[in-house]
Amino acid sequence: GQNIDQPTEMTATEGAIVQINCTYQTSGFNGLFWYQQHAGEAPTFLSYNVLDGLEEKGRFSSFLSRSKGYSYLLLKELQMKDSASYLCAVRDSNYQLIWGAGTKLIIKP
Amino acid sequence: IAGITQAPTSQILAAGRRMTLRCTQDMRHNAMYWYRQDLGLGLRLIHYSNTAGTTGKGEVPDGYSVSRANTDDFPLTLASAVPSQTSVYFCASSEQGDGSGANVLTFGAGSRLTVL
Repeated sequence: GQNIDQPTEMTATEGAIVQINCTYQTSGFNGLFWYQQHAGEAPTFLSYNVLDGLEEKGRFSSFLSRSKGYSYLLLKELQMKDSASYLCAVRDSNYQLIWGAGTKLIIKP
Repeated sequence: IAGITQAPTSQILAAGRRMTLRCTQDMRHNAMYWYRQDLGLGLRLIHYSNTAGTTGKGEVPDGYSVSRANTDDFPLTLASAVPSQTSVYFCASSEQGDGSGANVLTFGAGSRLTVL
């Protein structure tokens, strides 16, 4: 079966760096996405990786290793507004998105 | 403001009743989707439409139906609601349905449905 694994919850301190991991086993691979979802709100797009390596976008970076079935989202200079759930999703060989359950990130002052 | 509008925001429904969740987008996106989100689970695709006039089944289609009469609207109907359909429902859209490129999803604000 297809599976996306990510930690259920993480805690970090304001101003620090946090890395949220995502491992996947899917039928084929056509890209990996990270979305941010604040409590009670809609998911919003953060990043897209289709080739191995690091994609940097301001304070957020996303890394992909297709051979290892692994990605991480790196958040730098954490702010209180970064408290949210972070959803990892993989597009499989049928171009269907498979979603992880999300990682709830709690930022403490 | 361009985006997706969902209605109602929340609804409590008696089991056995029929319910339609509305979704309208103004971005002229070709593809639209309905997901449900339950605690501890990833988003699960219910139905999708790659273009007006066509629809397809997702991962959990049973008990739900959709229609896509035009580009903008994509209503989701529960013919006879059951308690297991209690969930938060998100409508989403993307420029294309074929997965080419990033094909980022834009989500509506969600509809929280409780079936008693």
